[in-house]
Amino acid sequence: SQKIEQNSEALNIQEGKTATLTCNYTNYSPAYLQWYRQDPGRGPVFLLLIRENEKEKRKERLKVTFDTTLKQSLFHITASQPADSATYLCALLSGGYQKVTFGIGTKLQVIP
Amino acid sequence: EAQVTQNPRYLITVTGKKLTVTCSQNMNHEYMSWYRQDPGLGLRQIYYSMNVEVTDKGDVPEGYKVSRKEKRNFPLILESPSPNQTSLYFCASSPAGQLQETQYFGPGTRLLVL
Repeated sequence: SQKIEQNSEALNIQEGKTATLTCNYTNYSPAYLQWYRQDPGRGPVFLLLIRENEKEKRKERLKVTFDTTLKQSLFHITASQPADSATYLCALLSGGYQKVTFGIGTKLQVIP
Repeated sequence: EAQVTQNPRYLITVTGKKLTVTCSQNMNHEYMSWYRQDPGLGLRQIYYSMNVEVTDKGDVPEGYKVSRKEKRNFPLILESPSPNQTSLYFCASSPAGQLQETQYFGPGTRLLVL
């Protein structure tokens, strides 16, 4: 069956460092992979999309990579700030791009 | 303001008492979807709709019904709620052909079934 794993449930990092979050998948051939941010008690907010034929995507301090051979995406936040503390979710799109499957998420805490 | 709204935001009910959670979007989006979020299981898709009168099952549709009679509304119906449907529910929408670009999520509905 299809499975998505995000590397850890929680990640603590010092302010100013680069946070790296991992999303691995099995039994899946996604055409798109998305990353979302979710704050406690709120709905997810879309951050970045990467396509299967793209290796890397950047947006301000965010960078996403997508390795379809390793079946893995890495999500980087450079120069991390306490305001980046949140849960980050990866999501894969398949089935004519209508069904969306989310990972459990990684809770990031940036320590001042 | 462009947004997805859900009502109610909080609901406590008893087993077997039919309920409806409403979802409405003001962005003229074709695609709408319902998710539930549970600790340790993440967000799971219940149903989605590509347009009016077009709906399809997600990964966990059992015990739920949906309808899409109007483009802006996508209500989630629990005909006979059970305690295992206690969860945090999110509605989301996206423009047609742009699901891969983004989804806009509502604020969530926290449901407790006793």
